[in-house]
Amino acid sequence: EPEVTQTPSHQVTQMGQEVILRCVPISNHLYFYWYRQILGQKVEFLVSFYNNEISEKSEIFDDQFSVERPDGSNFTLKIRSTKLEDSAMYFCASSVDRGPYNEQFFGPGTRLTVL
Amino acid sequence: DQQVKQNSPSLSVQEGRISILNCDYTNSMFDYFLWYKKYPAEGPTFLISISSIKDKNEDGRFTVFLNKSAKHLSLHIVPSQPGDSAVYFCAASEAGTYKYIFGTGTRLKVLA
Repeated sequence: EPEVTQTPSHQVTQMGQEVILRCVPISNHLYFYWYRQILGQKVEFLVSFYNNEISEKSEIFDDQFSVERPDGSNFTLKIRSTKLEDSAMYFCASSVDRGPYNEQFFGPGTRLTVL
Repeated sequence: DQQVKQNSPSLSVQEGRISILNCDYTNSMFDYFLWYKKYPAEGPTFLISISSIKDKNEDGRFTVFLNKSAKHLSLHIVPSQPGDSAVYFCAASEAGTYKYIFGTGTRLKVLA
């Protein structure tokens, strides 16, 4: 069964450094998403991406964050200057379409630890 | 901003019995609701969904009920199995948006 994959599984970085989290969505999906889950808290929406542009973003997704689909398969989340509070699990998701009965399928996540 | 609430952080159920997980929401514009299951060190796995035009959707051992007037949905698992032990997240979305709003999750433990 097709699945969303994410690399790396765990990323440790120093505060102020840039990180890039990578995702390979399911191949026939057209909508891509990033969510995060801070330890012990709920899963929070960051951004959605369709047709090579951001379609929606949350207030968490500030100027420090950017997303890109650099080629036909990868979808990346970049954090320019990491802060301690960016430590979280970051989940990539994808869907065929949006709306009812077009569920988002999630990857296994990347655990980001900012020291 | 707790638009989706799961008030029970944990639930223990005996194997073979029914598990009922509850979720309340405040946003009347939500039109699609989902349940996801999450094991440790894995991403959320889609379980079942329901559109706001329905009040029940069933898939094998899993049934989701939606009560729009009460802004409440529930997930029934019958019969519960030890492999169902996981954290269950309720999620909702609003027409015209792309994002899912998640609840805080309920940790289900099915005892053998």
